[in-house]
Amino acid sequence: DTEVTQTPKHLVMGMTNKKSLKCEQHMGHRAMYWYKQKAKKPPELMFVYSYEKLSINESVPSRFSPECPNSSLLNLHLHALQPEDSALYLCASSQPGGGNYNEQFFGPGTRLTVL
Amino acid sequence: AQKITQTQPGMFVQEKEAVTLDCTYDTSDPSYGLFWYKQPSSGEMIFLIYQGSYDQQNATEGRYSLNFQKARKSANLVISASQLGDSAMYFCAMRGRVGNQFYFGTGTSLTVIP
Repeated sequence: DTEVTQTPKHLVMGMTNKKSLKCEQHMGHRAMYWYKQKAKKPPELMFVYSYEKLSINESVPSRFSPECPNSSLLNLHLHALQPEDSALYLCASSQPGGGNYNEQFFGPGTRLTVL
Repeated sequence: AQKITQTQPGMFVQEKEAVTLDCTYDTSDPSYGLFWYKQPSSGEMIFLIYQGSYDQQNATEGRYSLNFQKARKSANLVISASQLGDSAMYFCAMRGRVGNQFYFGTGTSLTVIP
């Protein structure tokens, strides 16, 4: 099974709402990622979890809160977002680094619109 | 610091022709991995091909091949016999020896013309 799943596929929320994005993989990968992507741009790294611990936070505003409940699941909690946060949010997983160059597997993404 | 450069924002190719998408990289790591991903308009990032820095031969996967020139720090993607379904954004990426971070280029938008 080389699949990363993400829910929901689409999300529309107001600036005062609280919502969560979910990501799941069953490939035994111990590194999981959140990316934000605007149209025609490369993915921008937001967070990396390695062995369920947050290892990279790319100075993401606190209105985005990641959570890794176990080795298969990754959540992104959203609160008080701004319209400029509208984007495609991609989850990915891979084997951890340290000389291992396995590719990242990406989920289909959640298209988020903030009104 | 790691850096990936893709200098072709947009490319056009006739159906059934071959096309080369350019990628150059910069790293001080002696060991690294290079990847190409395809992203159709649907949004999903699809892994295409991988090249390790110590691999002696250029990687190939079906119609995709990677023209790896280590001394020039280039890792160009060659797509043979283009199909309409190849129209998409293509991203070159690199992973260093340590850590979990992948570094992406700015991407090339490929359009296949019937």
